Amino acid sequence: DTAVSQTPKYLVTQMGNDKSIKCEQNLGHDTMYWYKQDSKKFLKIMFSYNNKELIINETVPNRFSPKSPDKAHLNLHINSLELGDSAVYFCASSQDRYAETQYFGPGTRLLVL
Amino acid sequence: SQQGEEDPQALSIQEGENATMNCSYKTSINNLQWYRQNSGRGLVHLILIRSNEREKHSGRLRVTLDTSKKSSSLLITASRAADTASYFCATDGGFQKLVFGTGTRLLVSP
Repeated sequence: DTAVSQTPKYLVTQMGNDKSIKCEQNLGHDTMYWYKQDSKKFLKIMFSYNNKELIINETVPNRFSPKSPDKAHLNLHINSLELGDSAVYFCASSQDRYAETQYFGPGTRLLVL
Repeated sequence: SQQGEEDPQALSIQEGENATMNCSYKTSINNLQWYRQNSGRGLVHLILIRSNEREKHSGRLRVTLDTSKKSSSLLITASRAADTASYFCATDGGFQKLVFGTGTRLLVSP
């Protein structure tokens, strides 16, 4: 009965590869987010979707492409992976785009070699 | 950058002691939240304080907010080993964005 789940938990891959991370929430929330946490624990928002519509798109390389097939799912596809993409990626959700509290998934640890 | 800063970066205390961590931010806010992150896990919401509030309590947590100084503090009383985690403040960065601070790593030793 995990509220926000992500797969995979760990991802080790070579530079230049393309990979996807999946996120699902069973809270019935309208809004979902992707965050990146670097090695210094700095957490920064990347994208946000509200009911399948992109509402936040921070300055992120266009190698990163989010997709929301429905409001319970938000996937992140990364093309041509680079060393600097190594980080922990967190998915989160909130009741709606105005809700103040966000609920986070357990994170996906991506290591690019 | 709107990113908040927290201090100390790391705090080590004994069980039963109180832990205080501080957060400073740069822009005006509607609210400020504190989140906890256990090692290898996602963030968990702890408490939210609005800009018109000065102090808020939740169990062993006490949060203060001073909007004139653009700062907040989180006090954990009678700490336990299970409180060992990283603690982040987050402010509303406009457009429903959360802007997180740099975090305080708390270690509570038995």
